[in-house]
Amino acid sequence: AQTVTQSQPEMSVQEAETVTLSCTYDTSESNYYLFWYKQPPSRQMILVIRQEAYKQQNATENRFSVNFQKAAKSFSLKISDSQLGDTAMYFCAFERGNKLVFGAGTILRVKS
Amino acid sequence: SQTIHQWPATLVQPVGSPLSLECTVEGTSNPNLYWYRQAAGRGLQLLFYSVGIGQISSEVPQNLSASRPQDRQFILSSKKLLLSDSGFYLCAWSAKAGKTYNEQFFGPGTRLTVL
Repeated sequence: AQTVTQSQPEMSVQEAETVTLSCTYDTSESNYYLFWYKQPPSRQMILVIRQEAYKQQNATENRFSVNFQKAAKSFSLKISDSQLGDTAMYFCAFERGNKLVFGAGTILRVKS
Repeated sequence: SQTIHQWPATLVQPVGSPLSLECTVEGTSNPNLYWYRQAAGRGLQLLFYSVGIGQISSEVPQNLSASRPQDRQFILSSKKLLLSDSGFYLCAWSAKAGKTYNEQFFGPGTRLTVL
């Protein structure tokens, strides 16, 4: 069974600093997709970034980038130049067929 | 562009009362539809998903049921609510055609409190 583990329940970072959120997953599949979603206090789920497992190049979206280590089954999210609006709960997700399996989430607080 | 609606936004119900939460999607056809529950401060638990009208798959045995009477309408129901049904319910959709991955788009959610 596929599982997704986020080992950091809460993290904080100073504005303009860089922070990395960890995610590990377990699967026997060779081709799959991984996602990071953000849930701000409004509770609206927003897709942050997507990674295709067969691509070795790490995905990047503006200030957000991932460190994808397929052999280690690790998929961390790096947020550069953190902004107050980045304060949210972040979920790592693994695609399984038509469905996503989510981790428990990491609460990120950006401090001014 | 595609949009997804959920209502009501907030609901307070007594134990033992029925429940009906509605989700509708606009701007797309034949989507995959999903119901999730999120307990306070926790992750998302997939409850049901549907690949078409009348086709419902249940992920977790529970007090809830789902129906898809129309292509872009997904309803979450219960005949008798339990205290443990309290939580934040999210509906999501994903496209089938032209996609190799399952990017899901979420509605604004319904906060359900069972007293």
